[in-house]
Amino acid sequence: DAGVTQSPTHLIKTRGQQVTLRCSPKSGHDTVSWYQQALGQGPQFIFQYYEEEERQRGNFPDRFSGHQFPNYSSELNVNALLLGDSALYLCASSLAPGSRDGYTFGSGTRLTVV
Amino acid sequence: AQSVTQPDIHITVSEGASLELRCNYSYGATPYLFWYVQSPGQGLQLLLKYFSGDTLVQGIKGFEAEFKRSQSSFNLRKPSVHWSDAAEYFCAVGAQGTYKYIFGTGTRLKVLA
Repeated sequence: DAGVTQSPTHLIKTRGQQVTLRCSPKSGHDTVSWYQQALGQGPQFIFQYYEEEERQRGNFPDRFSGHQFPNYSSELNVNALLLGDSALYLCASSLAPGSRDGYTFGSGTRLTVV
Repeated sequence: AQSVTQPDIHITVSEGASLELRCNYSYGATPYLFWYVQSPGQGLQLLLKYFSGDTLVQGIKGFEAEFKRSQSSFNLRKPSVHWSDAAEYFCAVGAQGTYKYIFGTGTRLKVLA
């Protein structure tokens, strides 16, 4: 049973560039959330997608945007990259929004902005 | 404001010793509570969860946690630690009607042979 898969695993970008990260949810899951984990910190909620719509958003600027496709996979886009965007980006999936069963996390994409 | 506090940044225990990791939360609604573990360079794995019922919950890998509403705590315990338990542990809180989890800053566990 495939869990949550994320691509790429590592990425290096230059300040000002744009980046797209991809996520395929666990089989049977229809909800995808994105988290940013800075070094030495806990994950911070970016947003959640369900039925191809953004359902809730954390305290992140509009430079962060996302999309969910009909097959439930998702993309996270970050424009005008800043050095402070360097972090591990985690995708999490669940059976439904706000699931009390907990989210299944992928291994993440390590983004380095230079 | 909603928050999760993990007071211990680092904990070191000897293999075979007991373990308790602390978690305190501040949340207006009845919380859903979780413990996750993260090995270096990896994502997060769910250890256990609580949303109602018995306040002592059992999880994977021999871990358990106890919900104490009066103390706003959800501490993680293991009676005998194995070297493979060395990792970072995160407490998280969610609630019905909200989609995001709030995570603590984590506790890094080191296990001495």
